[in-house]
Amino acid sequence: DVKVTQSSRYLVKRTGEKVFLECVQDMDHENMFWYRQDPGLGLRLIYFSYDVKMKEKGDIPEGYSVSREKKERFSLILESASTNQTSMYLCASSSLGGRASSGGYTFGSGTRLTVV
Amino acid sequence: AQSVTQLDSQVPVFEEAPVELRCNYSSSVSVYLFWYVQYPNQGLQLLLKYLSGSTLVESINGFEAEFNKSQTSFHLRKPSVHISDTAEYFCAVAPNTGNQFYFGTGTSLTVIP
Repeated sequence: DVKVTQSSRYLVKRTGEKVFLECVQDMDHENMFWYRQDPGLGLRLIYFSYDVKMKEKGDIPEGYSVSREKKERFSLILESASTNQTSMYLCASSSLGGRASSGGYTFGSGTRLTVV
Repeated sequence: AQSVTQLDSQVPVFEEAPVELRCNYSSSVSVYLFWYVQYPNQGLQLLLKYLSGSTLVESINGFEAEFNKSQTSFHLRKPSVHISDTAEYFCAVAPNTGNQFYFGTGTSLTVIP
């Protein structure tokens, strides 16, 4: 069964800490995405990548960075965690656009991050 | 540019009653259409999708959605809901060019015993 695996289901971090959220997919997908999900706001795109070492800003990139050194791994980094970054973080992957994207996104199970 | 509107943020419905979750979209290009479901404390799972062909698509658990091009809608329906259908439902569109999907803000479906 194909999978997107997020390394942690729950994390609690202190304000000011540097936080790494890891995501690994085994489907050889080109595209990978990081979203945050908050009540009433739906999914908001933070960053995405369509190739190794490539990254694009999404709608809310401030306070975040990403790394994609290998095709299967896409990391989200909170440089200095703040309480307003408490959220559910979802990683997803997909094939390249056009007809290839018709398979849809495959999502990980999510990481619920609490910053105290 | 693309956008997706889910008109209802919360939908309570009694068990065994029918339900419709509404989704409208706007796009300057042709799109693929999707519904995702999210159960509590889980990621999103693909429920069904429209790519081409028949405008009525079905899922394995009794949901169906109909693509209406003239109204740019992709509403999700189920004739008789179960307690286990309680979840958050997201509508999404993917342009048939480009790499990014666009999601609605979600509809929380609560099935009442």
